[in-house]
Amino acid sequence: DQQVKQNSPSLSVQEGRISILNCDYTNSMFDYFLWYKKYPAEGPTFLISISSIKDKNEDGRFTVFLNKSAKHLSLHIVPSQPGDSAVYFCAASTYNNNDMRFGAGTRLTVKP
Amino acid sequence: DVKVTQSSRYLVKRTGEKVFLECVQDMDHENMFWYRQDPGLGLRLIYFSYDVKMKEKGDIPEGYSVSREKKERFSLILESASTNQTSMYLCASSGVGDRGYQPQHFGDGTRLSIL
Repeated sequence: DQQVKQNSPSLSVQEGRISILNCDYTNSMFDYFLWYKKYPAEGPTFLISISSIKDKNEDGRFTVFLNKSAKHLSLHIVPSQPGDSAVYFCAASTYNNNDMRFGAGTRLTVKP
Repeated sequence: DVKVTQSSRYLVKRTGEKVFLECVQDMDHENMFWYRQDPGLGLRLIYFSYDVKMKEKGDIPEGYSVSREKKERFSLILESASTNQTSMYLCASSGVGDRGYQPQHFGDGTRLSIL
């Protein structure tokens, strides 16, 4: 029962362009949605989050959009840089963090 | 900066062995978690603990147990290792929500191979 889905296993973009990573969820009880970035041989690093009461959160080059009616969120990276190449995990959590669900991940490659 | 340290980066064990994976966090976090990561499946929760000596099962607890005797340390135990437990194991910690929502912070993982 995958409550969080990332349907694109990989994405390739040119340096300087926009990267858009997508995520869908099924459980409307989630309070927070997060994106983690993972380099090989390292643990996931927290990138950005959004509360379920908001529809947009921005942090530098990274913006997360939440569409609650569609149960969909996306991460926009503008402009994309080669150092952004990593696996990105979408996650959804209740407020107390005791039930966080992860997607399968999307491997982003940013080409110079 | 939050520091979550896993005792081993790579570990090779034999079928039937009892295996201990250790995790220590330095931020006085109440919550600690153990996940395994497998290709195409993302991260799946094995167990979590919200206080010393407290534990809750996650989605895939079979074949595993945990121990939390001190707040900063959370151990994952494979009672009798099997080849299907070959995986990347990730430990995480987070504070409680009275200081606002706090995301989980992860260690660098232990890649465990069971032969």
